[in-house]
Amino acid sequence: SAVISQKPSRDICQRGTSLTIQCQVDSQVTMMFWYRQQPGQSLTLIATANQGSEATYESGFVIDKFPISRPNLTFSTLTVSNMSPEDSSIYLCSVADGLLGNQPQHFGDGTRLSIL
Amino acid sequence: LAKTTQPISMDSYEGQEVNITCSHNNIATNDYITWYQQFPSQGPRFIIQGYKTKVTNEVASLFIPADRKSSTLSLPRVSLSDTAVYYCLVGLNSGYSTLTFGKGTMLLVSP
Repeated sequence: SAVISQKPSRDICQRGTSLTIQCQVDSQVTMMFWYRQQPGQSLTLIATANQGSEATYESGFVIDKFPISRPNLTFSTLTVSNMSPEDSSIYLCSVADGLLGNQPQHFGDGTRLSIL
Repeated sequence: LAKTTQPISMDSYEGQEVNITCSHNNIATNDYITWYQQFPSQGPRFIIQGYKTKVTNEVASLFIPADRKSSTLSLPRVSLSDTAVYYCLVGLNSGYSTLTFGKGTMLLVSP
């Protein structure tokens, strides 16, 4: 399965600032996803990022707050903009090599973000 | 959107077989059933996926009855390192955005 690397693994940021999280995959993949996971909670999908097209955001998430780039088939970034303490969470990248939802996703180990 | 229901937690002892059942009453015809395992401070890890009947790999088995309204993840002879949260996902054929992680099952394996 694909190996996914996320950077940074953790960060502590001041409110009002922005942070860009990188997701690098060791092979070309069709689909990349960004999730948020509050401590002790389940995962919530933020958006789907396909190369060559705009990211598709889930209800409750907007591009101005979470801009996403997908410049090629092995890389994506998620920016958390104008951060507030409510954005403190774990952000996870996942990948899948298929379009129909029947290929399993493979996850990175996440970025643990704390906002002061 | 196929919703899943799992037990919140389960306890077991080393060496026992553990079966975690997931209910998905409104599963659609083309849905697959996928199970993930998550350890603290790590991303979910794919365990097994199936569509019907039985699927087995080196770490687990997945049993799916004919009506596909439930599925059971079977972990043979668990060890302490199997202590984790296990998620059952059921996906619609319209793509990944319809996959929803439920609350998962916290499995605690004791000596």
